[in-house]
Amino acid sequence: NAGVTQTPKFRVLKTGQSMTLLCAQDMNHEYMYWYRQDPGMGLRLIHYSVGEGTTAKGEVPDGYNVSRLKKQNFLLGLESAAPSQTSVYFCASVIGSSGANVLTFGAGSRLTVL
Amino acid sequence: SQQGEEDPQALSIQEGENATMNCSYKTSINNLQWYRQNSGRGLVHLILIRSNEREKHSGRLRVTLDTSKKSSSLLITASRAADTASYFCATKDAGNMLTFGGGTRLMVKP
Repeated sequence: NAGVTQTPKFRVLKTGQSMTLLCAQDMNHEYMYWYRQDPGMGLRLIHYSVGEGTTAKGEVPDGYNVSRLKKQNFLLGLESAAPSQTSVYFCASVIGSSGANVLTFGAGSRLTVL
Repeated sequence: SQQGEEDPQALSIQEGENATMNCSYKTSINNLQWYRQNSGRGLVHLILIRSNEREKHSGRLRVTLDTSKKSSSLLITASRAADTASYFCATKDAGNMLTFGGGTRLMVKP
């Protein structure tokens, strides 16, 4: 039982390049989330999904797209990376609408955009 | 905008002392949670307190919630060097999102 796995762990991009971050969970969780963490800013929600085939915008969705084609995977895409997207990205999941929303987090993906 | 704001932003104490961190939030909540983050790692859930609860304990952790003041506190008793980490409060409203504060960086000196 690996929990929440994020790949890659580190990536350096040039401005304008595209990339996809993959989040995989093996806990049969319904809800999945993508956050970004910047120094002194805590975590800010980018996008989230409450089930396979559904996605919704969070607090800072601009410049990102997501897809949830399979229940266990939640992909975060950057179509044209910008230096402002340099950050640490965290994926999290929760079992579903149990009311508590206690999140299980991945270890993070550190992205640098030059 | 962030729902929760932690205070202080940074805290340095000696091993054995108690550490208190505070969290203030702006809107009505369903529950409030505290998470811990070790340097370079993901967040780990510590404790959850529901809006109809006033105090909760888990080991050396004590959490209080004052919904009239829209604030919560996390007390870590008899701190250890291994408690050195960042601590975040997160609030859940009636929807599906959990909103995090900026965190308190705790350093416990041996």
